[in-house]
Amino acid sequence: DGGITQSPKYLFRKEGQNVTLSCEQNLNHDAMYWYRQDPGQGLRLIYYSQIVNDFQKGDIAEGYSVSREKKESFPLTVTSAQKNPTAFYLCASSIVGQGVFQPQHFGDGTRLSIL
Amino acid sequence: AQSVTQLDSHVSVSEGTPVLLRCNYSSSYSPSLFWYVQHPNKGLQLLLKYTSAATLVKGINGFEAEFKKSETSFHLTKPSAHMSDAAEYFCVVRSPSGGSYIPTFGRGTSLIVHP
Repeated sequence: DGGITQSPKYLFRKEGQNVTLSCEQNLNHDAMYWYRQDPGQGLRLIYYSQIVNDFQKGDIAEGYSVSREKKESFPLTVTSAQKNPTAFYLCASSIVGQGVFQPQHFGDGTRLSIL
Repeated sequence: AQSVTQLDSHVSVSEGTPVLLRCNYSSSYSPSLFWYVQHPNKGLQLLLKYTSAATLVKGINGFEAEFKKSETSFHLTKPSAHMSDAAEYFCVVRSPSGGSYIPTFGRGTSLIVHP
């Protein structure tokens, strides 16, 4: 079945440590997105990419970094500069053609906590 | 510019009674609108979408929504709630902006279903 796989499901970060969240999709979608979800705040966009080797900052990019070396993969690194990383992180993908009509497909998320 | 407001942070209903989750939007262009459902510790699943065809849109699990341009609303309804409908619901607007189609999410409405 086609879909988006996020790993790990749970992740713990120590002070001063960088951690990387994995997102892989086999839907052949060009666009991929990373969101942060905190209780009562909905989804906030961290980074997005509409094509391989290109990505743009979202609303809350500070303290995060991404890469898009392959169409299927869009890993997110939470750096030590992100002082409040505890949250639920969601990866999504979508078709770029007829962009406004296209829904996003979501993974099942990674919950990141501070040790 | 685009925005979306979910008018209720929580909605509580009894099993078997109707559900109404309210969503108002703002967009400079003709938008597409989506409703997603999220169960605890899961990703978002598409319920339905409006893409300028029929104004009454039917989705999965008996949900439907009506696009009302004059009221800038896209409320989600279901005739009879089931216990399994208890979840978080997100209204999303998507319209062209600077050549990209980045969606804007509402803050979510938590649906509580009492037996």
